[in-house]
Amino acid sequence: SQTIHQWPATLVQPVGSPLSLECTVEGTSNPNLYWYRQAAGRGLQLLFYSVGIGQISSEVPQNLSASRPQDRQFILSSKKLLLSDSGFYLCAWSRGWTYEQYFGPGTRLTVT
Amino acid sequence: GQQVMQIPQYQHVQEGEDFTTYCNSSTTLSNIQWYKQRPGGHPVFLIQLVKSGEVKKQKRLTFQFGEAKKNSSLHITATQTTDVGTYFCAGPGTASKLTFGTGTRLQVML
Repeated sequence: SQTIHQWPATLVQPVGSPLSLECTVEGTSNPNLYWYRQAAGRGLQLLFYSVGIGQISSEVPQNLSASRPQDRQFILSSKKLLLSDSGFYLCAWSRGWTYEQYFGPGTRLTVT
Repeated sequence: GQQVMQIPQYQHVQEGEDFTTYCNSSTTLSNIQWYKQRPGGHPVFLIQLVKSGEVKKQKRLTFQFGEAKKNSSLHITATQTTDVGTYFCAGPGTASKLTFGTGTRLQVML
């Protein structure tokens, strides 16, 4: 069976510090991978998606970036965090773009 | 771009009452998916509907896909406290991504 891991579960970072969130998927190959952000009580905002190694599509221009160094690894990064970067970051995978998505447990980021 | 709206945004019901959330897309969808997110948790896939007019049931949950494949509904019969959460619909938009609806938050009161 497939599993998706995200870490850390919670993170408190000062403004201006760097960020690296990692997501890995097990039990499948060549998945589509997605990064979402969710503000408290709000919907899902798609940040990045990837259909293959090294292929990244950005949905929202901001100070975040994503990379996919391996088939089942997706990394979300920032060089300098802003207060507005606080939120719940979710990684998800799917077999293809029309298929259902499976979400990881998420990382709660608070920028202070 | 494609927009997917859900109504209502919030719904408070007494335990045992029924609940319905509606999902409307600005474009025709090849399929519609429903997810549930418990408070503090991550979205969990519930079901996918593909055919026009399709109806599927999961215990007390009934999902329907509209004839024009632009709208959908989720109906919960006799709500329980375990039904609390936010329900999202989602449909394939432009290539490689789903467009998620705005969500309906359900609160069940004893």
